[in-house]
Amino acid sequence: GAVVSQHPSRVICKSGTSVKIECRSLDFQATTMFWYRQFPKKSLMLMATSNEGSKATYEQGVEKDKFLINHASLTLSTLTVTSAHPEDSSFYICSAQGVGGDYGYTFGSGTRLTVV
Amino acid sequence: DAKTTQPPSMDCAEGRAANLPCNHSTISGNEYVYWYRQIHSQGPQYIIHGLKNNETNEMASLIITEDRKSSTLILPHATLRDTAVYYCIVRVYGDDKIIFGKGTRLHILP
Repeated sequence: GAVVSQHPSRVICKSGTSVKIECRSLDFQATTMFWYRQFPKKSLMLMATSNEGSKATYEQGVEKDKFLINHASLTLSTLTVTSAHPEDSSFYICSAQGVGGDYGYTFGSGTRLTVV
Repeated sequence: DAKTTQPPSMDCAEGRAANLPCNHSTISGNEYVYWYRQIHSQGPQYIIHGLKNNETNEMASLIITEDRKSSTLILPHATLRDTAVYYCIVRVYGDDKIIFGKGTRLHILP
């Protein structure tokens, strides 16, 4: 079945630094990838949609200059949290949609970001 | 906004069938019902989806009412590993977004 690899699984960084999270589709080409964040005991909140080779579309209230998304190839999308602050600490999850339509969506295993 | 309503939590005894309800009274004719689950600190996992007919796969069964305003996910023999948050989602097949509601936290009791 389709596999999405997300890396790193956990990261701790200092306030003011930037952190990059990678999301790779391992056995299929992903025309569209999605980024979510999730706070403890809360549901997933869609942050942005990225399409290969074009600018990401951000949901209302999500700062595009703070959460930089790059989808440079059909198998890789990255989320960079810039100038991280403790309130950015969260669980970040990516998902990917394959070429040709609906494959039920495949999610990565998530990245736990802690900003100290 | 999520288009579904689910109970916040449910308990089920291990080995019994877990029946998780979902209301989607405003569902459109071209919207499917999808179910995902999220085990603690992991990404969501696809379970099943359907349009109007009941569906079954190796994980679960999906029962959709005739008016399509509600559905039930059935885990036939729940195990402790089924402890998770279960999300019912309605979306157009091939649409580019999945919007998660609050889901149902299922506790499997030994």
